[in-house]
Amino acid sequence: GAVVSQHPSRVICKSGTSVKIECRSLDFQATTMFWYRQFPKQSLMLMATSNEGSKATYEQGVEKDKFLINHASLTLSTLTVTSAHPEDSSFYICSARASRGSGNTIYFGEGSWLTVV
Amino acid sequence: DAKTTQPPSMDCAEGRAANLPCNHSTISGNEYVYWYRQIHSQGPQYIIHGLKNNETNEMASLIITEDRKSSTLILPHATLRDTAVYYCIVRDLHASGGSYIPTFGRGTSLIVHP
Repeated sequence: GAVVSQHPSRVICKSGTSVKIECRSLDFQATTMFWYRQFPKQSLMLMATSNEGSKATYEQGVEKDKFLINHASLTLSTLTVTSAHPEDSSFYICSARASRGSGNTIYFGEGSWLTVV
Repeated sequence: DAKTTQPPSMDCAEGRAANLPCNHSTISGNEYVYWYRQIHSQGPQYIIHGLKNNETNEMASLIITEDRKSSTLILPHATLRDTAVYYCIVRDLHASGGSYIPTFGRGTSLIVHP
């Protein structure tokens, strides 16, 4: 099946620094990728929708200047958490839509744990 | 703004069938029902999807009622590794020109015990 890979799987950074998370579709082209954040024992919360070659669409309450999303190719989207703070510590998950016949199935990456100290 | 209702938790004995229900009474004619699961500390895993016919794959079976207002995900022989949160999602025409964007409710936490 389709594979979506995220890197790094775990990252620890100092408060005030920036960290980049990559999301790659390994065996298909993804015109649209989605970024989610998940806090412990909570469901996934959509942060933004990333379309290749255009600006990302952010959900209400998500700061676009803090969470920079770049979708420069059909197989790669990146999320950069700028000036990270401890409250940004979370599990970040990306997903990509594979256009395969009916339904446009969406596949998820393994997730990236971010800890800001 | 999830459009589905699932029980918060269920448990099942190992080797038995796990039947996970989902209500989606407001589903419209062109909306699909998708099931994903999330094992602790991992990204969601696609399981199965369907429109109105019952579907089966190597992971599970999906039974959709004739009126399409509810569905059941069946894991025929649950194992300990099936312990996870299971999400039932309907196609959500959420912003972005009608593109399908999965939004998640709280799902059902399934615990498979020995």
